[in-house]
Amino acid sequence: EVQLLDSGGDLVQPGGSLRLSCAASGFTFSTNAMSWVRQAPGKGLEWVSGIDGSGGSTYYADSVKGRFTISRDNSKNTVYLQMNSLRAEDTAVYYCAKFGGSSWQKLCFDYWGQGTLVTVSS
Amino acid sequence: QSVLTQPPSVSGAPGQRVTISCTGSSSNIGAGYDVHWYQQLPGIAPKLLIYGNNNRPSGVPDRFSGSKSGTSASLAITGLQAEDEADYYCQSYDSSLSGYVFGTGTKVTVL
Repeated sequence: EVQLLDSGGDLVQPGGSLRLSCAASGFTFSTNAMSWVRQAPGKGLEWVSGIDGSGGSTYYADSVKGRFTISRDNSKNTVYLQMNSLRAEDTAVYYCAKFGGSSWQKLCFDYWGQGTLVTVSS
Repeated sequence: QSVLTQPPSVSGAPGQRVTISCTGSSSNIGAGYDVHWYQQLPGIAPKLLIYGNNNRPSGVPDRFSGSKSGTSASLAITGLQAEDEADYYCQSYDSSLSGYVFGTGTKVTVL
């Protein structure tokens, strides 16, 4: 059974940093691309970042480019999201999600973590 | 802001059929990229409902079906049940943004 366990969410001041983690199990982690998707309170879903199975290719939404960094440790079956220069508009529940499919332009998010809340406020 | 537009809400009585539209453009749905659909129950993470325009993952009832034409896609729910009350999102890839995009979301209410 595929399981994704998100953690690391917290209350942080504007301009601060935070690192989210997602521990995966139930599938061959190193051969699967992973992603982060967020949802602001009462709002819709927004794709944030993605990483291929080897960690060699990473992708970001324009809204976080230059501030967030996605990475993975295949020996620990864990994907991370390092968030720097946080802003109030980054406040959201952050979901780790496994990519499903074979072509980057056709990928869906086939399994999701439970989400972890990041609140950016002074 | 979302580049895929959905109606904010749809409603129907138990047993009825409802449809949710997802309107995009030539840089996403119209470019031939697949459309996927997610169901989000209150307070819970989204769940994949339809992938590759019209395919159901194992365990998803055949009451749910998807279609795509031109720059739009649709999700149909037949035999509406109380447990179908949730938010639904479409998703695709956008070549102009070089990233994945979601619809604005639709709340389904069972009357």
